[in-house]
Amino acid sequence: GAVVSQHPSWVICKSGTSVKIECRSLDFQATTMFWYRQFPKQSLMLMATSNEGSKATYEQGVEKDKFLINHASLTLSTLTVTSAHPEDSSFYICSARALAGRQETQYFGPGTRLLVL
Amino acid sequence: ELKVEQNPLFLSMQEGKNYTIYCNYSTTSDRLYWYRQDPGKSLESLFVLLSNGAVKQEGRLMASLDTKARLSTLHITAAVHDLSATYFCAVDARRNSGNTPLVFGKGTRLSVIA
Repeated sequence: GAVVSQHPSWVICKSGTSVKIECRSLDFQATTMFWYRQFPKQSLMLMATSNEGSKATYEQGVEKDKFLINHASLTLSTLTVTSAHPEDSSFYICSARALAGRQETQYFGPGTRLLVL
Repeated sequence: ELKVEQNPLFLSMQEGKNYTIYCNYSTTSDRLYWYRQDPGKSLESLFVLLSNGAVKQEGRLMASLDTKARLSTLHITAAVHDLSATYFCAVDARRNSGNTPLVFGKGTRLSVIA
């Protein structure tokens, strides 16, 4: 089946630094990828939609200047958390749509756990 | 705005028992998904339900969809400890842009006890 990878799987950084998270579709092309955030014991919340070759679409309440998204190719989207603060500590998960047999479904990456000290 | 509600949010059940998790959604959607999440892990796809009356089964889990009622159920048969996890339902949120992110329910944290 389709595979989505993320790197790094976890990161610890100091407050004020920037962190880049990569999301790759390993065996298929994804014109659209989605970035979600999950706080402990909560559900996944969509942050933004990443479109290859165009600007990302951000959900209400998500600062586009803080969470920079770049979808440079059909297999790679990156999320950069700029000037990270402790409240940005969360589990970040990307996803992409792909065909599983005849059926389209959405595959999720393994997630990146960010801890900002 | 599409809303997805799951219940119960917490479920403690004995091994060998049956139970059902419910998922209601507020507007028409093309697809409904069920995912499993283990602690510290990402989401594992369980089922994708596409049409009214769809029923899918995998092992001790069975999912169904009633699009008219905007309701999906995830039925657990003869629960075993390995089923302990958090289960999410999610629905396609088709946007005018054509993109279809998912809107998730809050999740049901299932604990199967001996």
